[in-house]
Amino acid sequence: QMQLVESGGGLVKPGGSLRLSCAASGFTFRDYYMSWIRQAPGKGLEWISYINGGSGTIYYADSVKGRFTISRDNAKNSLYLQMSSLRAEDTAVYYCARANWGLLDAFDIWGQGTMVTVSS
Amino acid sequence: DVVMTQTPLSLSVTPGQPASISCKSSQSLLYSDGKNYFYWYLQKPGQSPQLLIYEVSSRFSGVPDRFSGSGSGTDFTLKISRVEAEDVGVYYCMQALHLPYTFGQGTKLEIK
Repeated sequence: QMQLVESGGGLVKPGGSLRLSCAASGFTFRDYYMSWIRQAPGKGLEWISYINGGSGTIYYADSVKGRFTISRDNAKNSLYLQMSSLRAEDTAVYYCARANWGLLDAFDIWGQGTMVTVSS
Repeated sequence: DVVMTQTPLSLSVTPGQPASISCKSSQSLLYSDGKNYFYWYLQKPGQSPQLLIYEVSSRFSGVPDRFSGSGSGTDFTLKISRVEAEDVGVYYCMQALHLPYTFGQGTKLEIK
C-alpha cells in the first residue's frame, strides 16, 4: 500500500525552528518529485516547495524562500522540511505529496498532515 | 503568480441533481506539449485532499464516472452529473505549469 506519513509538527515560538519529516512506503521513492503543501486553519491549500528525485531541482514559494529548506534521503525513503525563522502566518497543517509523472505530475498520494503552530 | 479563480465558492445541491464548478486561470495552462497542466482535488471533511481529475478531464483511479472535467487554456469546469452524499467537501482546482503551483480558493459543496 502506497502511503506517506508526516511527523514533526508541534508548537514553536515565533523565530523558532522545526523539522518536518515525511516517510514514504509502497513505491520507489527516488523516482518521484515530492512536494510540501500547507493549509492554514480554515483556509485553502498553498503549495510551498518541491524537490526532484535526485535533489538537483528544488523550488520554493516566495512565502517561505530563504527560511525553509526541503531535502530528501532516498535511502531512508524520507522527505524533510527544515523550517526556520517561523512566523505566526506559518501556522498550518503541512502535507507532503507525491507528484506522479504518469499523471501529468498530479499529486496522487497525500499524507495525513502534521500541524505546526507558531505562537508565543 | 497564476491566480486561479473558482466560482461559486459554495454550492448546496439536492442528491441526484447535477453540480458544476468553474475555475479560471490568469494565464494559459496549455503547454507546448499540447497538454493542460490542470487538476481537480477534493478535500472531504477532516481528511487530506485527494486527486479527482488530472490533465483537465482524466479521472483518477477509483473516481466515479459521475465526475467529469472539461476546458482548455484558461477556462475549466468540473461537473458532477448526480450528486451523492459522499461528494460533500471542498473542491480545489490547481495548476502545475507555472511556478509557484497555485490552487483556487476552494468551492464548498454541501447536500441540501
